[in-house]
Amino acid sequence: TQLLEQSPQFLSIQEGENLTVYCNSSSVFSSLQWYRQEPGEGPVLLVTVVTGGEVKKLKRLTFQFGDARKDSSLHITAAQPGDTGLYLCAGENTGGFKTIFGAGTRLFVKA
Amino acid sequence: GAVVSQHPSRVICKSGTSVKIECRSLDFQATTMFWYRQFPKKSLMLMATSNEGSKATYEQGVEKDKFLINHASLTLSTLTVTSAHPEDSSFYICSARSGHEQFFGPGTRLTVL
Repeated sequence: TQLLEQSPQFLSIQEGENLTVYCNSSSVFSSLQWYRQEPGEGPVLLVTVVTGGEVKKLKRLTFQFGDARKDSSLHITAAQPGDTGLYLCAGENTGGFKTIFGAGTRLFVKA
Repeated sequence: GAVVSQHPSRVICKSGTSVKIECRSLDFQATTMFWYRQFPKKSLMLMATSNEGSKATYEQGVEKDKFLINHASLTLSTLTVTSAHPEDSSFYICSARSGHEQFFGPGTRLTVL
C-alpha cells in the first residue's frame, strides 16, 4: 500500500516567517499535486509536478519534486494571514489512476 | 483550471431519508470522478471511484448499498446516501480527473438529524 507522509501536521507562525511542508513516500509517483483547502470549501489545486527534480514557483510558494519522484516540498516565503488553510499533497501512483493523499498540514499565520 | 460544481452545498435531512448529491464537470469531460468524505480537521478519505458507463469501485469499508454512485454521463456523477443516519453526517467532496490532475467540487455539508 502506498503511503504519503506529510509533515508537519500543524503549524502556527507569525506573519513574515518562512515555512516548509514536506511529503514523503517510499513509493514512486508519476505526478504529485499540492492543494489548499479553506474551511467549508473543496481543495483548490495549486500546482502539479511531474518531472523528478522539478521546481515550480507560484508567487511566494515554491514547490519541488524529489529527483526520485518519491517526495515533495512546499516552501512559503514571508507567510501572510491569507495563507492560512489546510495544505494537502496528493500523489498519483505509477500503476494507474489512483491518487494517494497526505494527511494534510494545517497552517495558521498570525498577523 | 477546470471547474467542478457540486449540488447541494448544504443539506439537512431526517434520519432514514435518502439524499442525492450531484457532481458536475462544467468545462471538460471526465470519464473518472471520485467521491471523498472529510471529517472535521482531517484529510480526505476516498470512498469510491466513479467510472462513466460502468460500476463504481468502492474503497474497503465503504458500503456500496449505502452509498449509491451513478456516473451516467461524462459530466455528471451522483452520490446517493440511502437511509441516512446521524453518523453519515459529514462533508462530502467530489473530484473529476483531467489528465494528471483532479479538480474538486466545493463540497456538500450533510447533516442528518
